[in-house]
Amino acid sequence: QVQLVESGGGLVKPGGSLRLSCAASGFSFSDYYMSWIRQAPGKGLEWVSYISSSGSTIYYADSVKGRFTISRDNAKNSLYLQMNSLRVDDTAVYYCATDAGAGWFDPWGQGTLVTVSS
Amino acid sequence: QSALTQPASVSGSPGQSITISCTGTSSDVGSYNLVSWYRKYPGEAPKLMIYEGSKRPSGVSNRFSGSKSGNTASLTISGLQAEDEAEYYCCAYAGSSTYVVFGGGTKLTVL
Repeated sequence: QVQLVESGGGLVKPGGSLRLSCAASGFSFSDYYMSWIRQAPGKGLEWVSYISSSGSTIYYADSVKGRFTISRDNAKNSLYLQMNSLRVDDTAVYYCATDAGAGWFDPWGQGTLVTVSS
Repeated sequence: QSALTQPASVSGSPGQSITISCTGTSSDVGSYNLVSWYRKYPGEAPKLMIYEGSKRPSGVSNRFSGSKSGNTASLTISGLQAEDEAEYYCCAYAGSSTYVVFGGGTKLTVL
């Protein structure tokens, strides 16, 4: 069945970097748009970044623009999020999700926790 | 881009119907019929319940319905069940520059 599995989360100091991965299986990954969405502790959902199926079109939320880079490797059925210059307010569970390209996401992975703290 | 506005909490008794509102602007909810709704249990991934304003994915109960009027979208759950107790989020497409914006979430309590 369709499955998305995130990894790479952990504890990092402010200003540090982390790379998240999302392994996809059960569907033709290269045909689908993808997004990263996060949820800070006790807060709501926040869309982070989008990438088209070929990787040619990319969007970022203003809150991460210039610090985060989304990418994908269709040969490896994998999605990535390179996070640099991390801040305390980047602390969140990060989810990858298949993106319809029209503002809805289905399915989602189980999430990976990123904690930015000194 | 500001988040869409949802009530912090709603409640209802088993068997009743409840409606959760999601208010945006003419740049998001009002411009496109592309509002989606998600149910989230604590510690679990969000689940798509409604997309494109009123469409249900395969497997989602017909007790869930979506609608829109102007800049406000709504999710209605009829025949409330204990398993409906969860956090619900709306999300709206807002054009290629902003892409999407989420609501702050609504905690549904089944009394």
